[in-house]
Amino acid sequence: AQTVTQSQPEMSVQEAETVTLSCTYDTSESDYYLFWYKQPPSRQMILVIRQEAYKQQNATENRFSVNFQKAAKSFSLKISDSQLGDAAMYFCAYRSPGRDDKIIFGKGTRLHILP
Amino acid sequence: DAGVTQSPTHLIKTRGQHVTLRCSPISGHKSVSWYQQVLGQGPQFIFQYYEKEERGRGNFPDRFSARQFPNYSSELNVNALLLGDSALYLCASSLGLGQPSNQPQHFGDGTRLSIL
Repeated sequence: AQTVTQSQPEMSVQEAETVTLSCTYDTSESDYYLFWYKQPPSRQMILVIRQEAYKQQNATENRFSVNFQKAAKSFSLKISDSQLGDAAMYFCAYRSPGRDDKIIFGKGTRLHILP
Repeated sequence: DAGVTQSPTHLIKTRGQHVTLRCSPISGHKSVSWYQQVLGQGPQFIFQYYEKEERGRGNFPDRFSARQFPNYSSELNVNALLLGDSALYLCASSLGLGQPSNQPQHFGDGTRLSIL
């Protein structure tokens, strides 16, 4: 069974600085999808960035980028120029290219932005 | 366009009761998934329905059931409620067409269920 591990329960970063959130996963599959979701206090889960395992190039979305190391099964999220609105719970997640929409989430990292 | 809508927002029940949670997907989305998020944890997959048929099921007891209606809205039912069922229940919708993994899921704001 696939598992997702986030070893940092909480992190803090100064506004405008850069922060990296860590994630490792375990799978025997060669093809899969990885995600970072953001959950602010409003509770809605918002997709931040997505990476297909067959793509070697790391995904980027504006200030958000990932460092995908397939052999090491590592998928970290880098947030550049941190803003107050980035404060939230961040979940790393895994999805198999199977028939269903099942997403496996990690336990999350709470990110605090210090003004 | 309206996003995924869930009702009610909050709900308080007592042990042994049953509960029905509702979800309306984004217009045009035919797939609905349900997740349980216990406080301090990531969401856990409960069910997925596509075109009114169950496509996936997580590791939850038979007390949990769901269905999807012709308009693609969905209900999650939980019987014989336990204290451990207290959680945020999230609904997500996607187009459901083609390769499922290529279709991003859009989440609602969830229903906060408290069991006394």
